[in-house]
Amino acid sequence: GAGVSQSPRYKVAKRGQDVALRCDPISGHVSLFWYQQALGQGPEFLTYFQNEAQLDKSGLPSDRFFAERPEGSVSTLKIQRTQQEDSAVYLCASTPVEGANTEAFFGQGTRLTVV
Amino acid sequence: QQQVKQSPQSLIVQKGGISIINCAYENTAFDYFPWYQQFPGKGPALLIAIRPDVSEKKEGRFTISFNKSAKQFSLHIMDSQPGDSATYFCAARGAGGTSYGKLTFGQGTILTVHP
Repeated sequence: GAGVSQSPRYKVAKRGQDVALRCDPISGHVSLFWYQQALGQGPEFLTYFQNEAQLDKSGLPSDRFFAERPEGSVSTLKIQRTQQEDSAVYLCASTPVEGANTEAFFGQGTRLTVV
Repeated sequence: QQQVKQSPQSLIVQKGGISIINCAYENTAFDYFPWYQQFPGKGPALLIAIRPDVSEKKEGRFTISFNKSAKQFSLHIMDSQPGDSATYFCAARGAGGTSYGKLTFGQGTILTVHP
């Protein structure tokens, strides 16, 4: 596809359930970011990949959050033992190169609701 | 810690009016200041961006004014239209080092343009 694709669009999880959120970046994009957007707030940085290497995971809120990008393209954000405070929209963004003056392209996000 | 502060939280203008949204940042290591537009259920989309060596950038009805000494920047939407009704986020991108180009967002401004 032409843009960043995220799936599922919506996910309802029972508290304590594990979830996996998928991001397909634009083909050939080197950099991939995950952001968390709480209701009524701006996106907040979670983690960054350059190709398959996770270079920054300083924004992950707890060790229940785990992200991977094993082949340098598709990325998965996994949340274990979900809690109500994990309810948010999870956004994925990609850029063609690392650190350059290039636009970050965002996907539509996955809205996670933990009940 | 909130490194980018945005105001107002919400803004109502009449069609044809000027919409002004303001942001202030704290970290001088930012090198790129984009504005994103987000419609409900969609990911943020780049609207216009500026680098700190420029004081103003205009694209169509959208203008960014940048004051480096005051660490402030603003978005002006001229001749506002109902189709401009959306949430607007200012952002700042980290420069070099371990910033990796990650974005720090403001809290967002909900703009409503009445016909």
